[in-house]
Amino acid sequence: ETGVTQTPRHLVMGMTNKKSLKCEQHLGHNAMYWYKQSAKKPLELMFVYNFKEQTENNSVPSRFSPECPNSSHLFLHLHTLQPEDSALYLCASSQGRVLTDTQYFGPGTRLTVL
Amino acid sequence: AQTVTQSQPEMSVQEAETVTLSCTYDTSESDYYLFWYKQPPSRQMILVIRQEAYKQQNATENRFSVNFQKAAKSFSLKISDSQLGDAAMYFCAYRSAPGANSKLTFGKGITLSVRP
Repeated sequence: ETGVTQTPRHLVMGMTNKKSLKCEQHLGHNAMYWYKQSAKKPLELMFVYNFKEQTENNSVPSRFSPECPNSSHLFLHLHTLQPEDSALYLCASSQGRVLTDTQYFGPGTRLTVL
Repeated sequence: AQTVTQSQPEMSVQEAETVTLSCTYDTSESDYYLFWYKQPPSRQMILVIRQEAYKQQNATENRFSVNFQKAAKSFSLKISDSQLGDAAMYFCAYRSAPGANSKLTFGKGITLSVRP
């Protein structure tokens, strides 16, 4: 167990649904990240939060809405998704320098959009 | 923009043997960080090793070591005494020095299989 948990592990949703992904880290870290991993594509960084403040948004469509209520929890709210949004969504956390220090990843949520 | 290239999609190694995974990158920056991550079937991403560009000495973590060639922009990972648990997907990643436009860029990954 890495100390970063994600729920649910699998999610199937229609294009009109609204759902949320949850990430929780038990490592006392100050930075949290959302990544998207699609088949045969490089891992893509979506959002970065440092001390609950969003510091990076890498041109992610507005149908993905992150929320970081505290340094231990990170959410990704989903609405009106497209089939091409089907992917593995990974959460990560780190201490110290954002995106430079070691990141600890969760097991991911496998999302399928019908 | 920085790019990371892992040209070999798959590799195979005999248990207890040594294997080298290749990675090249393109950047105009002089200060940056390089990483190798391992993603086993469980899907968690595990940091294997990290290298700061300003350090000339190659990083080493137990059976894992890198060959960092800054001029050639090459960052290969060597796994010695391969074990069955090393079977996974391996990603090379680049991170420029912290700043407003600093990003983390990953390669497409390489699938490593270990033959018993």
